Amino acid sequence: DGGITQSPKYLFRKEGQNVTLSCEQNLNHDAMYWYRQDPGQGLRLIYYSQIVNDFQKGDIAEGYSVSREKKESFPLTVTSAQKNPTAFYLCASSIKAAGTEAFFGQGTRLTVV
Amino acid sequence: SQKIEQNSEALNIQEGKTATLTCNYTNYSPAYLQWYRQDPGRGPVFLLLIRENEKEKRKERLKVTFDTTLKQSLFHITASQPADSATYLCALIASGGSYIPTFGRGTSLIVHP
Repeated sequence: DGGITQSPKYLFRKEGQNVTLSCEQNLNHDAMYWYRQDPGQGLRLIYYSQIVNDFQKGDIAEGYSVSREKKESFPLTVTSAQKNPTAFYLCASSIKAAGTEAFFGQGTRLTVV
Repeated sequence: SQKIEQNSEALNIQEGKTATLTCNYTNYSPAYLQWYRQDPGRGPVFLLLIRENEKEKRKERLKVTFDTTLKQSLFHITASQPADSATYLCALIASGGSYIPTFGRGTSLIVHP
């Protein structure tokens, strides 16, 4: 089945730790994105990538890092510099065409303990 | 600054009625407007796309209107069912060939049997 897979579904982080969220897609999409969703708020763009080995900061990139070494994979690292990391993280992908729909993974809920 | 506004209060309606959700925006010139459905703890799922030069789009029980003068989109679900209960997000895509959606915070719809 084609789709986009995020793992893990739930993740707990201790203060000061870096954690990495996985995102894999087999849709052959060039574009991939990471969004953060907080209760009662919309999705806010963290990073996006249009092609392998290239990525751009979104609106709230501070405290996060990404890599795009393979077309299928776009992992997000939440670093210790991110002061309020507890949130629901969503990965998405799309073809690179104007107006095209975004396909989302099931999300990772990150909690700081 | 750019802003996308959706009603933060939940919309409660009776089964069989038409649900109407609103998406207003300011300081945007969107080329496309999308609507997504999001169930609790899951990623959004694409429903409909409407272009700036289209007034109305339909898909089964769904209808979307787009008024670029009023800077508003209306999303209608006719003959609503309890299974339609979810959060509905609107997303704007800017003109200029962009494909990255910017999301509103969503409106929760609750359909009572």
